[in-house]
Formats: sequence, C-alpha cells, structure tokens
Amino acid sequence: EVQLLESGGGLVQPGWSLRVSCAASGFTFSSYTMNWVRQAPGKGLEWASAISSHGAYTNYADSVKGRFTISRDNSKNTVFLQMNSLRAEDTAVYYCAKDLGSGPPDALDIWGQGTMVTVS
Amino acid sequence: DIQMTQSPSSLSASVGDRVTITCRASQDIANSLAWYQQKLGTVPKLLIYGASTLQSGVPSRFSGSGSGTDFTLTISSLQPEDVATYYCQKYNGTPRTFGPGTKVDIK
Repeated sequence: EVQLLESGGGLVQPGWSLRVSCAASGFTFSSYTMNWVRQAPGKGLEWASAISSHGAYTNYADSVKGRFTISRDNSKNTVFLQMNSLRAEDTAVYYCAKDLGSGPPDALDIWGQGTMVTVS
Repeated sequence: DIQMTQSPSSLSASVGDRVTITCRASQDIANSLAWYQQKLGTVPKLLIYGASTLQSGVPSRFSGSGSGTDFTLTISSLQPEDVATYYCQKYNGTPRTFGPGTKVDIK
C-alpha cells in the first residue's frame, strides 16, 4: 500500500526551529518529486515546498523562503522540512504529498495524514 | 506569481443537482490544473488532473474542463457524500498555488 507518514510536529515558541519528517512506503520513492503543503486552522491549503526526485532542485513559497529547507534521504525513503525562525503564522497542519507522475511537475496524488505544528 | 481564484466561495444545492465550480488563473497555465476534495477533518483527495482527467477511483459524476485561464469542476448529480471543500491547484512552475476553496453543502 502506498503510504506517507509524517512526524515531528509539536508546540514551539516563536523564533524556534523544528524539523518534520515524512516516511514513504509502497512506491519507488527516489523516482518522485515530493512536496510539503500546509493548512492553518480553519483555512485553505497552501503549497510550501517541493524537492525533485534526487534532491537537485528545490522550490519554496515566498512565505517560507529563506526560513524553511526541504531535503530528502532516498536511502531511507524520507523527506524532511527544516523550519527555522518560526512565526505564529506558521501554525498549521503540515502534509507531505507525492507528485502523481515521475516527470514534470504534477498533481499531488498521495497525501500523508499530516503533522500539527503550533507556534505560540 | 500566478494567482488562482475560485467562485463561488460556497454553495448549497439539493441532492441530484448539477453543481459547477469555477477556477481562474491570472495567467495561462495550459492544462496544468488539478482539483481536490477535502471533507471535514480529512486529508485532501485528488479528483482531477490535467484539467480534465479523472483520477482512478473517483466517481464519474465528477468532471473537469477548461484550459488556459478558465476551468470548471462539475458534479453532475450531487450526492450527500460530496459535502466537502473543493480546491483547484496549478502545478506548472513555482509556486504551485491553490485556489481559496469552494465549500459545498446540501440544501
């Protein structure tokens, strides 16, 4: 079964750092671009970051650029989001999501259950 | 950056009604448009990609159309289990912006 499982969320103070992880199973992880999408309480979806299949290319939303870093370890089928200088407005459920196809940027077909990050 | 808008922001319809949601991009995105369904308290689910291709397992009452800047998601016969918020997303280029969502419920 194709599955994504996030971990590492929690309660932190403004200015602190946190790293969330997403463990993948059931597909060839190293073939797919991976994404982080966040959703603040009661709000809509916000795409935050993406990393290409072998980690050569990364992209960020302006709201997190310079503070967040996406990375991956294909030997461990895991993608990470290092979040520094956290702000109250970063409070959200953080989902990892897989690109549908293994080529150009694509829709997101598999989502994890999310991990909650609270900055307060 | 390309902005994504959706209309309406919410709608209420009867079971069996045809429902149409519109998504508009501020610039041409060809057919790089996806639709997602998110039921309350659950994870988003991919419904349609490539503007009009139905994801495997999604009921055929869902359909998508459009290209360039104007797109629609249609539910041909609304069912109680379709109560959810629907989001469009452009995925060519960065950022991969989501629309603000359309909340659908039953009248």
